[in-house]
Amino acid sequence: DVVMTQSPLSLPVTLGQPASISCRSSQSLVYSDGNTYLNWLQQRPGQSPRRLIYKVSNRDSGVPDRFSGSGSGTDFTLKISRVEAEDVGVYYCMQGTHWPRTFGQGTKVEIK
Amino acid sequence: EVQLVESGGGLVQPGGSLRLSCAASGFTFSSYWMSWARQAPGKGLEWVAIIKQDGRDKNYVDSVRGRFTISRDNAKNSLFLQMNSLRVEDTAVYYCVTGRGDYWGQGTLVSVSS
Repeated sequence: DVVMTQSPLSLPVTLGQPASISCRSSQSLVYSDGNTYLNWLQQRPGQSPRRLIYKVSNRDSGVPDRFSGSGSGTDFTLKISRVEAEDVGVYYCMQGTHWPRTFGQGTKVEIK
Repeated sequence: EVQLVESGGGLVQPGGSLRLSCAASGFTFSSYWMSWARQAPGKGLEWVAIIKQDGRDKNYVDSVRGRFTISRDNAKNSLFLQMNSLRVEDTAVYYCVTGRGDYWGQGTLVSVSS
């Protein structure tokens, strides 16, 4: 199975400050169709996961532009340019290239 | 608006069975791969099973293969997960998921305990 490794696992952030989460995969996530199926999910407390970013850097509809994704191959990053209170929760990277789909351990974002 | 509504969870003894359902609306269900994923209490996410649009291709994570069966009814926009020989470690919230994680339902809790 493809192992997804996130860091840090806990991220205390001051409101209005930037935040960055790293995700590394044990294998390349480039699929045979040329796409890289790396998603970022947000799970707010008590809610189900919600996709924020797909194919490395594409924001889903309704996702604020303070969220951005980047990376390639096996190394990916989610950035929040200015953290707001509603951003508190756990963030997961997820690969959709290989079976079984696998997730990172999750990064808990909290306000300092 | 895409909606995925899971049902069928509950408390079951080890070795027992449950059948989960997911009612889908707001998109062309028959055009999507569909999956079940789960989250044990206080833990991370695990993809459980996946089924192709026509229902002919299926795959499972090793820990459930041979015990769980994923199926779908495109005429009724519904996804199912038949879970047999349940184990304590299957305790989790089970989510219905579209495609490669586009949309997630609200989940249904399965508790396996004696």
